[in-house]
Formats: sequence, C-alpha cells, structure tokens
Amino acid sequence: GAVVSQHPSWVICKSGTSVKIECRSLDFQATTMFWYRQFPKQSLMLMATSNEGSKATYEQGVEKDKFLINHASLTLSTLTVTSAHPEDSSFYICSAIKGRLDSPLHFGNGTRLTVT
Amino acid sequence: GNSVTQMEGPVTLSEEAFLTINCTYTATGYPSLFWYVQYPGEGLQLLLKATKADDKGSNKGFEATYRKETTSFHLEKGSVQVSDSAVYFCALGGGADGLTFGKGTHLIIQP
Repeated sequence: GAVVSQHPSWVICKSGTSVKIECRSLDFQATTMFWYRQFPKQSLMLMATSNEGSKATYEQGVEKDKFLINHASLTLSTLTVTSAHPEDSSFYICSAIKGRLDSPLHFGNGTRLTVT
Repeated sequence: GNSVTQMEGPVTLSEEAFLTINCTYTATGYPSLFWYVQYPGEGLQLLLKATKADDKGSNKGFEATYRKETTSFHLEKGSVQVSDSAVYFCALGGGADGLTFGKGTHLIIQP
C-alpha cells in the first residue's frame, strides 16, 4: 500500500475563477504533504509543505494568497488556485510521507491545469 | 541552495543497450539522493535511493552510486528493455524539506 490519489487529473477553467485540487492518502495517514509545480520542460518545483493542523510553509516566491493550501485531516490536503490566470497553467503534483520523515515520498498522478 | 542537473533528453536507445543518465548536484550538507521514474500515464514512483556517500541504490536492474567526490548520482542499466521507456528524475533531499528535482530525462527504448 501507500497510494496517493490526486483529483482532478486535469481541469480547464476560465481566467478569474478558482480551482481546487485534492490530494488524498488512501491507505495511510500523512502528517506531511508537499505540493509541486512543473512547468514545461522544467523541474518539479516545490511550492509548499503542508502539515496537518497547521499553516502551510511556502517556498520563496510562491504567493500564499494565490495558492491556498489546507491540510484539514491526516489523509487530505487541498490546493486552491485563486483567481487563476493563464500563467498559472501548469502541472501540479502532490506527494505524501508515510511514516517517518525519512521515509520515501509517495506521489499523486498530478493535475494538469489549463486556464483560458 | 540545492540544485540538481541531469542530462536532457530525449535519450533514444535500442533494446539491450547500456544506459547511463547523468546526474550531478549541489547541496549543503549530506542529502539523500533519489531516482524517480514516471511511466506513461502514471505518477512518479521511487526507483532507487542512496542515503550516504558510496552507497549504491539498485532496483529493477538499475543502479546508481552516491559519489560525494564528484557530486554525482548517475543512473545505469546494463541492458534496457522497451518497458523502461519513461521519464526519469534525479532528486535530492527528503524528510521535512521536501525534494529538489532535476528537469527529468525522457528515455525512449526502441525494439
């Protein structure tokens, strides 16, 4: 086991609307989840670290008011892209740690966001 | 800060060829090193890892050795198969700090 489910797998939205992406650990409890963003032909960039029951820790340069992260339970973290713009179009992927912090990460399948 | 540089693809090989995907890194301290693989239509999966210098990670015929002196973690396989076609990511870090990834290398194996 150690399955991470990410939903939706792809979404198209209009500029100015908000989009919520869910990341669930299906068969384990994840106290820590990470959100990554991948631009075309570029690395996966860490956006934020999400800890259950506390505020997310954002990497430098990531707008926390634009990318709202909520980790309300040990099996669910959500990323909401608020007032989306075309430049927010990207591939977003979450990952979760099962067990100790030095355990391997388990990744969701990612969400392709296209803002028109 | 941390960074990972890996060879850009696509890398195209014939079946049973020898594979090397180069990965070098810069980091503070002594991070763990990883190779992740993303098969078509699937999410990222851990392929192998090494946690300290001179450690060799191996899985599914792939190997990589943590070389502190050259700050490298090159991925190798002696005989590739069509089913190895995927995108391979080198990464470092782990734990509470998350991972720093390379750009990924698209590997194409032709029959």
